[in-house]
Formats: sequence, C-alpha cells, structure tokens
Amino acid sequence: EAQVTQNPRYLITVTGKKLTVTCSQNMNHEYMSWYRQDPGLGLRQIYYSMNVEVTDKGDVPEGYKVSRKEKRNFPLILESPSPNQTSLYFCASSFLLNTGELFFGEGSRLTVL
Amino acid sequence: KQEVTQIPAALSVPEGENLVLNCSFTDSAIYNLQWFRQDPGKGLTSLLLIQSSQREQTSGRLNASLDKSSGRSTLYIAASQPGDSATYLCAVWSGANNLFFGTGTRLTVIP
Repeated sequence: EAQVTQNPRYLITVTGKKLTVTCSQNMNHEYMSWYRQDPGLGLRQIYYSMNVEVTDKGDVPEGYKVSRKEKRNFPLILESPSPNQTSLYFCASSFLLNTGELFFGEGSRLTVL
Repeated sequence: KQEVTQIPAALSVPEGENLVLNCSFTDSAIYNLQWFRQDPGKGLTSLLLIQSSQREQTSGRLNASLDKSSGRSTLYIAASQPGDSATYLCAVWSGANNLFFGTGTRLTVIP
C-alpha cells in the first residue's frame, strides 16, 4: 500500500531534549516536505527536499533541522525543543514538484513542556 | 505572496443536500490546485488535483473546478452524507516550491 509513515504519532517531551520525528515513504517520490499545523494559522511549511542530499527552508524553519540521506526517508530534528514548537506535524511527499499529487502522513502530535 | 482564502470557515447542511465549498487565491500564476479532506486529529487525504491547464476534475460525488483568471476554485459535493463531515482544505502550488494552504472549511452534514 502506498503510504507516508510518521513516527512517533504522539510525543510529550521537555524543553531542550533533542528529538527526531521520522518520515518514510514507499512511493519512490523525489519530493518530500514537513509542515506544522496550528489553530488559526493553518499549515505552514518547515523544510522541503527535492531529492537526496537536497534540502531547503520553507516558511518556518527556525528551530528545526532535516536530512535526506536516502530517497525514502526525511527525518525532522528538533535539536532543542521549546514550548512554541508544540504543534501537529505532517510529512508529505510527491513524485513531481509542483505538478504532482501530494500525499500526507497521519501526523505527529508533539507537546513540549 | 500568494494568499489562499476559504469561505465560509464552517458550514452545516442537512443530509442529502448538494453543496459548494469555495477557495480563492490572489496570484493566478499557479501550477496546480489540490483539494484535501482532514478528519479531526488525522492527516490530509487528497481528494482532487487540478492542473493549471485543466478546468475541472471529478471523482464520484465530488467535482472541483478551477478558474485561474478569477483566482477561484470550487468543490461541489453532491448528495451529502454524514460521512462527508470533515474539514476541507485547498492548496495551490505557486512559484518554485511554494505550496500555499487555505485555513479550511469545516463541514458538518446533519443526519
């Protein structure tokens, strides 16, 4: 089954404790992206990647890191989480940038205390 | 910067009604427009993708139209069912890598 898989789905952590949210897709998509969703603000892009070893900042990259060492994986790293990073995070992938259909993971709800 | 607006923010209709959801965008230079459905606490499910060269797409009871020149798209849902209750989001690809989302319309279909 074609899918985008995120882990963990739910996480409660404390300020400053490094964490990684994994994202994996099995559709051989070149394009992958991370979003956060907050009430009243909608979905905002954090980082995106157009291919292996190619990543770039989205609208709200501060406090986040990403890597793309393999085509299927695109982890989101919070080196020193803060409470303002409490949010619902989504990973998405697409075969073609701009023209392809975007597929989303189920989301990861992160709470930073 | 592209701005995507969805009005109304919330809509309640009785079961069986046909309904239209609206999406407007400020910059007509788009690559495509995609409609999504999101259930509470869940991910986004793609409903329809309309390329910039297309005028509409249909899938089952759903029909989406695109008018680039006026910066508008509509999602038509025929014979609504309680299972259609969800938040509907539109998103436009605009520019090199810019995907802009609307804030959604929360639909409730009353049995």
